[in-house]
Amino acid sequence: GAGVSQTPSNKVTEKGKYVELRCDPISGHTALYWYRQSLGQGPEFLIYFQGTGAADDSGLPNDRFFAVRPEGSVSTLKIQRTERGDSAVYLCASSLGAGLAHTDTQYFGPGTRLTVL
Amino acid sequence: GNSVTQMEGPVTLSEEAFLTINCTYTATGYPSLFWYVQYPGEGLQLLLKATKADDKGSNKGFEATYRKETTSFHLEKGSVQVSDSAVYFCALFPRGNKLVFGAGTILRVKS
Repeated sequence: GAGVSQTPSNKVTEKGKYVELRCDPISGHTALYWYRQSLGQGPEFLIYFQGTGAADDSGLPNDRFFAVRPEGSVSTLKIQRTERGDSAVYLCASSLGAGLAHTDTQYFGPGTRLTVL
Repeated sequence: GNSVTQMEGPVTLSEEAFLTINCTYTATGYPSLFWYVQYPGEGLQLLLKATKADDKGSNKGFEATYRKETTSFHLEKGSVQVSDSAVYFCALFPRGNKLVFGAGTILRVKS
């Protein structure tokens, strides 16, 4: 079946603008994750949803970042007043979310490359 | 806290050479351990995983054994191919809900 999809694949914006990044998880996956990957680094956790609720948002860097998942499927990561330091690849992953969380495999989307000029 | 340390790259090998990419971790509790691979222009893909001590994960000729006594999960392959050129990430998944990644190791295989 289809994997995790993310749109857009690339987004260029100006400093101070608002952006939305979309993630469509694998059908039937209840757990959804957002990560951010800076150049030459491994992905860093931002937020985790179980169903519609944000179960852990401890990785969001500040209150300019917000994410929603209103119907428990598609998620949108929202960044207000973008800064040049927000430039990175934003990755979304999903997993079944059933059973023992630490054994669940996360499947990643191709990412959205955000460039803030 | 939880952290992963990988050997720095790039690692450059000739085709059919033996590969080891070292990975050590610090974690509370008993995490699951993963290797993900990122081929040029593609997204992260799960390569293999191990969920408890002494488990061996394997896939596509790659292997890694979960060593609790040395807190390590080194990736090995007996004979690399040019198509294995990619960035490899070691990651741990503690009893929480966030994967913790290493910085990644670039592998370049020459024909």
